[in-house]
Amino acid sequence: DTGVSQDPRHKITKRGQNVTFRCDPISEHNRLYWYRQTLGQGPEFLTYFQNEAQLEKSRLLSDRFSAERPKGSFSTLEIQRTEQGDSAMYLCASSLPDPRNEQFFGPGTRLTVL
Amino acid sequence: DQQVKQNSPSLSVQEGRISILNCDYTNSMFDYFLWYKKYPAEGPTFLISISSIKDKNEDGRFTVFLNKSAKHLSLHIVPSQPGDSAVYFCAASATGNTGKLIFGQGTTLQVKP
Repeated sequence: DTGVSQDPRHKITKRGQNVTFRCDPISEHNRLYWYRQTLGQGPEFLTYFQNEAQLEKSRLLSDRFSAERPKGSFSTLEIQRTEQGDSAMYLCASSLPDPRNEQFFGPGTRLTVL
Repeated sequence: DQQVKQNSPSLSVQEGRISILNCDYTNSMFDYFLWYKKYPAEGPTFLISISSIKDKNEDGRFTVFLNKSAKHLSLHIVPSQPGDSAVYFCAASATGNTGKLIFGQGTTLQVKP
């Protein structure tokens, strides 16, 4: 396994369109996280899955955002009716249920909303 | 409410010298701290971590120090190398919950040859 992968790496869309991103975690990792990073800031937590169950969502995650992890493997993050403020790097991370909590990050999907 | 703060946006050091990156936190529930390094166009890469029951953890050229009473941690890189030039993020978690990480804003380290 070569690590966490994300697709696409870049996405340019017009305001009001829907977009979907995919994350493939490291295969034996049952924890999966989504973060968002804007320029000059650190990653901000969006949501967390343990296997297929979504156990926590940040208040940053408006009702235009939805995430799924249907079979406890890959995950998707969908943004409906995109706004210019959604422009950011969307990062996915995965980990084992380990008290050291080392999360392995993917390369991210850069979203630009015009 | 910034629970994890890195007050120095940038740091420049000479190759071979020590780099010291600082991080402060406010939430006393945090019990695990991590440092990540990030190169442009890549995701953050785990560097080193420390549990709140320790005050020091060392891994090769990298040492993290934790001062719980001051709610402060620091990352020391000795000796610094040009390949260490990157953005460094401090992160914290309260391991009793989901394990989500709360990140600082990052410090850009430049190591000059």
